Amino acid sequence: DVKVTQSSRYLVKRTGEKVFLECVQDMDHENMFWYRQDPGLGLRLIYFSYDVKMKEKGDIPEGYSVSREKKERFSLILESASTNQTSMYLCASSLPATNEKLFFGSGTQLSVL
Amino acid sequence: TQLLEQSPQFLSIQEGENLTVYCNSSSVFSSLQWYRQEPGEGPVLLVTVVTGGEVKKLKRLTFQFGDARKDSSLHITAAQPGDTGLYLCAGARGGADGLTFGKGTHLIIQP
Repeated sequence: DVKVTQSSRYLVKRTGEKVFLECVQDMDHENMFWYRQDPGLGLRLIYFSYDVKMKEKGDIPEGYSVSREKKERFSLILESASTNQTSMYLCASSLPATNEKLFFGSGTQLSVL
Repeated sequence: TQLLEQSPQFLSIQEGENLTVYCNSSSVFSSLQWYRQEPGEGPVLLVTVVTGGEVKKLKRLTFQFGDARKDSSLHITAAQPGDTGLYLCAGARGGADGLTFGKGTHLIIQP
């Protein structure tokens, strides 16, 4: 069964901490994405990557960075966590074609105190 | 930024009733996808519509893409409690840069 795995389901961090959210997919997909999901705001794209070591900004990249050293792994980094980054973070992957479906992980609920 | 507006935002109906959820935009999309998300899980794709005017059926769910490829609807016949969830529409931007999501419709089907 194909899978996108996010390393943590729940995470609690303090303001100012550096936070790493890890995502691994086993489908050999080229494209990987990080979204955040907030009540009333829906899913918003933070960053995406269409190849190893490649990254592109999404709609809300401020305060985040990403790393894609291997095809199967896409990491989201909060350099200095802030309370407004408390959110559900969803990782997804897909094949390169435009209309390809996204496969999502189960999400990481991050709370920044 | 291309926006997708979903309506209604919340819907609670009795088992057996029919319902329609709408997804509208002023922008043209190359395709629209519908996802369902259950609590504690990521969204799961239900269907992709590509051609203007296209209609796809998935058991009791009927999806339609508008002729101008700016809007879509999801119709559920004889809703069941298992249909409960967050329904999200998403438009393809073109290229590899992901999808634009609507804010979703929270659907509750009461037994």
